[in-house]
Amino acid sequence: GAGVSQSPSNKVTEKGKDVELRCDPISGHTALYWYRQSLGQGLEFLIYFQGNSAPDKSGLPSDRFSAERTGGSVSTLTIQRTQQEDSAVYLCASSPASFRDIGELFFGEGSRLTVL
Amino acid sequence: QKEVEQNSGPLSVPEGAIASLNCTYSDRVSQSFFWYRQYSGKSPELIMSIYSNGDKEDGRFTAQLNKASQYVSLLIRDSQPSDSATYLCAVKGNYGQNFVFGPGTRLSVLP
Repeated sequence: GAGVSQSPSNKVTEKGKDVELRCDPISGHTALYWYRQSLGQGLEFLIYFQGNSAPDKSGLPSDRFSAERTGGSVSTLTIQRTQQEDSAVYLCASSPASFRDIGELFFGEGSRLTVL
Repeated sequence: QKEVEQNSGPLSVPEGAIASLNCTYSDRVSQSFFWYRQYSGKSPELIMSIYSNGDKEDGRFTAQLNKASQYVSLLIRDSQPSDSATYLCAVKGNYGQNFVFGPGTRLSVLP
């Protein structure tokens, strides 16, 4: 499809395990964002990639969280040693904006993570 | 630290009425403003974007921006039960800054 694609759509894991969440942005979009949304809560910014610039990691809640973006396209968000408070929907979004332009954000369907 | 504030609601309006959703932001250098709709269990979808002071209309939706007052609003005319959702206000500066979202306002349109 032409939209932002995320996988897996649902992930159940045990406390202490590592998980990887994948995001495939809209083709040609230079900016990619990860947000987290806990049940009934707003969007919490995690990390932002813009082209080849260093990512803005200011929203990552702890050093157990990391993300990379390979070849300026697909991104993987990794959570190590998962905790129950990591349970949330992880949303990826992409934007066609370059560094100095204004662009709209388009979201994927999210990856729902449940840590038992 | 940029902040975006919205009344969490719920805001209840009767079918056919005008729903008015408000958003204020703290960062004066913010340049772009967006309204997203999020149905329960779904991801946010873009409704409107506005970049200049004044009104922007798209169908039943009108976005209003007042940069001097750091205020952006969304009006929904002829509200329908299908408009019942959480509405998220988002703000973005230039030069690679990220999007900052408000907590959202839950709208309920009563048949």
